[in-house]
Amino acid sequence: GAVVSQHPSRVICKSGTSVKIECRSLDFQATTMFWYRQFPKQSLMLMATSNEGSKATYEQGVEKDKFLINHASLTLSTLTVTSAHPEDSSFYICSARDSLGPVYEQYFGPGTRLTVT
Amino acid sequence: ELKVEQNPLFLSMQEGKNYTIYCNYSTTSDRLYWYRQDPGKSLESLFVLLSNGAVKQEGRLMASLDTKARLSTLHITAAVHDLSATYFCAVDKDTGTASKLTFGTGTRLQVTL
Repeated sequence: GAVVSQHPSRVICKSGTSVKIECRSLDFQATTMFWYRQFPKQSLMLMATSNEGSKATYEQGVEKDKFLINHASLTLSTLTVTSAHPEDSSFYICSARDSLGPVYEQYFGPGTRLTVT
Repeated sequence: ELKVEQNPLFLSMQEGKNYTIYCNYSTTSDRLYWYRQDPGKSLESLFVLLSNGAVKQEGRLMASLDTKARLSTLHITAAVHDLSATYFCAVDKDTGTASKLTFGTGTRLQVTL
């Protein structure tokens, strides 16, 4: 089956620093990937849609200058949290759509837990 | 704005009992998803329901979709402890070339012995 990986799985950083999270589709090509954020005991909220070779589309209320998304290849999207603060601590999950698969199919990564101290 | 609500938010049930989780959504959509999430983990896909009247079953779980009522149900039959998890439904925000999901509030299921 289709596999999506994320790296790192956990990261702790100091307030004011930047953190990069990678999302990779391992056995398929993904022109579209999605980034979600989940706070403890809450649901997943879509942050942005990452499109290969073009700018990401951000959801309302998500600061594009704070959450930088780069989708430079068909198998890799990165999310960089710039100048992280404790309120950015969350579980970040990506998903990817197989470019050759049905439009309704999304494959989720294992998530990255970010703690900002 | 698309809203997706689940109820109950928390469900404690005994092993062997049956129960149903409900998922209501506010605007027209043709695709409805159910996911399971264990603590500290990502999502596991359970079902994709693609049309009105769709019914899918896997083990003790059965999901159905009524697009006219904008309602999906996840029915649990003879619950076992291993089903303890949080269950999310999700609805497509767009039905074009990409599937953008709006998630429900989640239902935390606790199955007790």
